[in-house]
Amino acid sequence: DSGVTQTPKHLITATGQRVTLRCSPRSGDLSVYWYQQSLDQGLQFLIQYYNGEERAKGNILERFSAQQFPDLHSELNLSSLELGDSALYFCASSVGVSDNEKLFFGSGTQLSVL
Amino acid sequence: QKEVEQDPGPLSVPEGAIVSLNCTYSNSAFQYFMWYRQYSRKGPELLMYTYSSGNKEDGRFTAQVDKSSKYISLFIRDSQPSDSATYLCAMSANAGNMLTFGGGTRLMVKP
Repeated sequence: DSGVTQTPKHLITATGQRVTLRCSPRSGDLSVYWYQQSLDQGLQFLIQYYNGEERAKGNILERFSAQQFPDLHSELNLSSLELGDSALYFCASSVGVSDNEKLFFGSGTQLSVL
Repeated sequence: QKEVEQDPGPLSVPEGAIVSLNCTYSNSAFQYFMWYRQYSRKGPELLMYTYSSGNKEDGRFTAQVDKSSKYISLFIRDSQPSDSATYLCAMSANAGNMLTFGGGTRLMVKP
């Protein structure tokens, strides 16, 4: 167990809908990262937050947004969902802002858009 | 063409075999290299971390980086059925930068 908790584990929804994925980082970790894993694109970095502030942005669509709350948990909001958004969404956490080698991943949220 | 290329496999080997997993990349700025193991329905788990070129050994695992060829490898000695998983290479240009992952190689170790 990595110590990173993601909920829900599975989410099934329809096109056009909006969903929220939740992540609780490991105790003591200040950075939270969101990644999307799909069969055709592999694992892709979406966004990073550090201690409540956005730190880095990757291939995140404008329909997607995230935030990190004062208690350090993070939420990824996906809106106007399309079939192509079906993927496994991972949250990862690390202590600092530059900890490539100390990244711990949660078990993911499997999103199915029908 | 993707920045990081990895043969998807599957790679099937008998128990006890030496396994060689590889990635090639195109971005010469990459200097941090990692190997992750991902079991089915689980998140990736860091196996090896290497900075710049050279070798690193940890138990049955050895990571090699050849920056001149833009090629990295992970060797698994005395492979076990419990090593059956998908292995992802990942790399970044700077500490703290977003990681760029390969597509992963699925490994099956048969008893």
